[in-house]
Amino acid sequence: EIVMTQSPATLSVSPGERATLSCRASQNVNSNLAWYQQKPGQAPRLLIYGASTRATGIPARFSGSGSGTDFTLTISSLQSEDFAVYHCQQYNNWPPTFGQGTKVEIK
Amino acid sequence: EVQLLESGGGLVQPGGSLRLSCAASGFTFSSYAMSWVRQTPGKGLEWVSSISGGGDTTYYADSVKGRFTISRDNSKNALYLQLDSLRAEDTAEYYCAKNPLMQASHIYFVCWGQGTLVTVSS
Repeated sequence: EIVMTQSPATLSVSPGERATLSCRASQNVNSNLAWYQQKPGQAPRLLIYGASTRATGIPARFSGSGSGTDFTLTISSLQSEDFAVYHCQQYNNWPPTFGQGTKVEIK
Repeated sequence: EVQLLESGGGLVQPGGSLRLSCAASGFTFSSYAMSWVRQTPGKGLEWVSSISGGGDTTYYADSVKGRFTISRDNSKNALYLQLDSLRAEDTAEYYCAKNPLMQASHIYFVCWGQGTLVTVSS
């Protein structure tokens, strides 16, 4: 199965600053990559699919890029509600697999 | 508004069984594949199983194959997961999730329920 590796494990960022999260796949997944946001005690929420397409209702400050094996989620100006854990997931090959998550915390 | 509401979790002994349910509303249920995804603090998110919109195609993670059974009743807008021969490592929060297409292929998870906790312990 494809192993997804996210870095860093924890990212400390001040409100209003940019956050850049990375996700690497052990094999080519083309653009079949999704990003999710998860807040404590809540289910994950889809942010990005197709590596760069924002899901319905997701603010423009969230953007995704990359293809093949290397992907990036950028939050252009962190708001208080953006502090959460972010997961990437590939759906190019069975089984679909997730990264271990990046926690974005307040600096 | 899409809503997914899981139920059926609880405490069960190793080797026991549970049946999880997911009640769906706010969309044409039969037009979408559905999935179960579980989460543990140690292993993170793990896809468990998926079923096509018509219920004719199913997929399972190797870790649950032969022990778990996914099914759906489109007349009731309901998704199910039968968990048999449960092990301690099956302890997790179980989420049902809506997939983007009718076919259960190239799946990501568009909407998630709030989850139901399964604890396997003696």
